[in-house]
Amino acid sequence: AQKVTQAQTEISVVEKEDVTLDCVYETRDTTYYLFWYKQPPSGELVFLIRRNSFDEQNEISGRYSWNFQKSTSSFNFTITASQVVDSAVYFCALSEARTGGFKTIFGAGTRLFVKA
Amino acid sequence: ETGVTQTPRHLVMGMTNKKSLKCEQHLGHNAMYWYKQSAKKPLELMFVYNFKEQTENNSVPSRFSPECPNSSHLFLHLHTLQPEDSALYLCASSQVVSTGADTQYFGPGTRLTVL
Repeated sequence: AQKVTQAQTEISVVEKEDVTLDCVYETRDTTYYLFWYKQPPSGELVFLIRRNSFDEQNEISGRYSWNFQKSTSSFNFTITASQVVDSAVYFCALSEARTGGFKTIFGAGTRLFVKA
Repeated sequence: ETGVTQTPRHLVMGMTNKKSLKCEQHLGHNAMYWYKQSAKKPLELMFVYNFKEQTENNSVPSRFSPECPNSSHLFLHLHTLQPEDSALYLCASSQVVSTGADTQYFGPGTRLTVL
């Protein structure tokens, strides 16, 4: 069975601090996809990134970076020099290749507060 | 319009009312989803439609009735709801691909309050 755990319920940082959001997943499949979404107060889940299980290269996009480690079943998300606009709930998600998006499992989310 | 739109954004209804939520996707996708997001609960998948055919119904009570007339539109008909049905209802769409690497794109949600 697939599972996504985001152990951090809430994180509070001061602007310009770096912050890492943890995501640990479980799956028995060898081909799977991992996602991060951002949910600002407006409610919409905004897609940030998708990684497939065969690509362990870390990715950087501006102030965002992602560290995928199959050995520890983790897909962590780091925001560098955080800003107030980064305040949101962040969700990690997993889908397996054989079921695709029909069975995407979301973690419980981590609420990030960035204070000015 | 771009992306996924949902109307209304906010809805307050009594337990005896009948209302409908509407979702429209402008991304050319072939699958659409309804999710329920309650406070302190994980995102719950309710229904999935693939090429207008319902493929998933995760034990959702019959007071929620989905309708997908075409690949771009999805409705959620509501009747005789309970206060515990108050939540944010999110619609999503994706392009189903053979590799399973489809990414869901979400609408802004409808905040539903049942009195």
